[in-house]
Amino acid sequence: NAGVTQTPKFRVLKTGQSMTLLCAQDMNHEYMYWYRQDPGMGLRLIHYSVGEGTTAKGEVPDGYNVSRLKKQNFLLGLESAAPSQTSVYFCASSPGTSNYGYTFGSGTRLTVV
Amino acid sequence: KQEVTQIPAALSVPEGENLVLNCSFTDSAIYNLQWFRQDPGKGLTSLLLIQSSQREQTSGRLNASLDKSSGRSTLYIAASQPGDSATYLCAVYSGTYKYIFGTGTRLKVLA
Repeated sequence: NAGVTQTPKFRVLKTGQSMTLLCAQDMNHEYMYWYRQDPGMGLRLIHYSVGEGTTAKGEVPDGYNVSRLKKQNFLLGLESAAPSQTSVYFCASSPGTSNYGYTFGSGTRLTVV
Repeated sequence: KQEVTQIPAALSVPEGENLVLNCSFTDSAIYNLQWFRQDPGKGLTSLLLIQSSQREQTSGRLNASLDKSSGRSTLYIAASQPGDSATYLCAVYSGTYKYIFGTGTRLKVLA
């Protein structure tokens, strides 16, 4: 099925460990986004990309890095995980900006202990 | 700074009732507004997208309205069903490549 696929779906990390979350879309969308969702705070934008080879910071970028080497993939990295990064992470994509909505992945639930 | 508020945070209604979910935003300079549904442990599913030039959008039993000047949108659900139980999120696009999300209304439709 066409859409946005996130891997893994669940992960438990120890403080200080690193990991990479993968987002893949097969809709040929230009724009991709990483959000985190925390109780009572809604979704907050971490990083985004407006095309292959580009990345930009969102509202809460500290502690995360991203890469968009291929148009269909957007990777989110945690270099040294902290308990404050325990969250549900969502990837989304869109064909463009103002006239288009988002398509979301099903999320990655990350726990840092 | 754009802020999006959804009230109430939670709502329980009996099956068959018509209901309205509210979304308000502080900056009326928006390009569009999108309503999403989120089931527990799942991702977000887009329900309706309203462009700034539109007043409303309809899909099946759902109708979303937009009043930019007052900074409000409503999602109307007709003849609610237990399967409508979920969290409903609204998000506003004001430019700078990002949507601003509300914290959602958790809806429970009782059989």
